[in-house]
Amino acid sequence: AQKVTQAQTEISVVEKEDVTLDCVYETRDTTYYLFWYKQPPSGELVFLIRRNSFDEQNEISGRYSWNFQKSTSSFNFTITASQVVDSAVYFCALSEAARGSTLGRLYFGRGTQLTVWP
Amino acid sequence: EADIYQTPRYLVIGTGKKITLECSQTMGHDKMYWYQQDPGMELHLIHYSYGVNSTEKGDLSSESTVSRIRTEHFPLTLESARPSHTSQYLCASSALGALGTEAFFGQGTRLTVV
Repeated sequence: AQKVTQAQTEISVVEKEDVTLDCVYETRDTTYYLFWYKQPPSGELVFLIRRNSFDEQNEISGRYSWNFQKSTSSFNFTITASQVVDSAVYFCALSEAARGSTLGRLYFGRGTQLTVWP
Repeated sequence: EADIYQTPRYLVIGTGKKITLECSQTMGHDKMYWYQQDPGMELHLIHYSYGVNSTEKGDLSSESTVSRIRTEHFPLTLESARPSHTSQYLCASSALGALGTEAFFGQGTRLTVV
């Protein structure tokens, strides 16, 4: 069964600190996709990144970076030099490549509430 | 920027009332989803659709129903609202046929049943 675990329920940091949000997943599929979404107080989920299971290259986008390690089934997200505007709930998600009628659906973790204090 | 819209954003309604939450997208996506999000943040899939006249129930049992008569429109209806239906409802869409395509989300409807 597919499962995504975000063990950190809440994290608080002071501005300019680096912070890493953990994500561990379970799947029996060999082809799958991992995502990170940000949910600001306004409520919508904003897509941040997608990674497929065959691409273990780490990715950096500005202050954001992602570390994908298949050996530990982890897809961690690091924010460097955090800012107050980074305060939000962050969700890690998994989708399977193909399985009948559920193709493409996302399995979400429980989310991590990040608060960045000035 | 995603083109998926939910109305209303906030709704307070009395027990027993019938309500419909609207969701529309202008991206031509075939796949659409409804998620329920409780205050504890976890997202639960309650309905999904792969195209016109296709609807399926998700993981979380829900007393709501959905319809998909047009590609762009995926409304959710509660025939008789109860306090247990108080939650945030998020609609999403994604392209069919593209593996691993990200879903785009609306801003959500925060429903309170009193």
